[in-house]
Amino acid sequence: KNQVEQSPQSLIILEGKNCTLQCNYTVSPFSNLRWYKQDTGRGPVSLTIMTFSENTKSNGRYTATLDADTKQSSLHITASQLSDSASYICVVSGIRQTGANNLFFGTGTRLTVIP
Amino acid sequence: DARVTQTPRHKVTEMGQEVTMRCQPILGHNTVFWYRQTMMQGLELLAYFRNRAPLDDSGMPKDRFSAEMPDATLATLKIQPSEPRDSAVYFCASGLGQAFGYTFGSGTRLTVV
Repeated sequence: KNQVEQSPQSLIILEGKNCTLQCNYTVSPFSNLRWYKQDTGRGPVSLTIMTFSENTKSNGRYTATLDADTKQSSLHITASQLSDSASYICVVSGIRQTGANNLFFGTGTRLTVIP
Repeated sequence: DARVTQTPRHKVTEMGQEVTMRCQPILGHNTVFWYRQTMMQGLELLAYFRNRAPLDDSGMPKDRFSAEMPDATLATLKIQPSEPRDSAVYFCASGLGQAFGYTFGSGTRLTVV
């Protein structure tokens, strides 16, 4: 079972509307959680990174929240634009017994913004 | 803007051939990752280096894959022999550590026929 689950798998919204993407994880112990945006044919681009003690972080119209108790994160996109059409990937970093980090990836949410 | 450069962008090869993918990390970045992305599996970490030393390659099939950093400006991922199931997009990413995030290259799209 994947330790990072994202929902929905895909989403279509009208330009200008808001949307929220979900990421649930079981990774423990937890180091940090990142949201990436990946345009078609391009590499992922980091949007936010949050550690255990952070509840929310914003990057322009993107706001990520983290509840480390329930192991849930969300990415809220405000006033969507056509350029927001992309895949959004949640990546959780765990900590191994050796102290090294271990990365766990969600399979992403495919967002399509239509005019 | 500083960027991670990957070559080639696309590669089509026959099963059994050797494939080498190259990555030039951002100057000054001390951590380099190799990832593989497929529709079915999403992103998978293959290997990563810190200060050119391999720290983790547990995600990589050792019998056919090898990753090296001959110097600070070049990371390579080699597949020998290649198989059709290796078809994927291979990304390189570099950074300064967990707290700073990582920059991805545009990827090498590999097709093994």
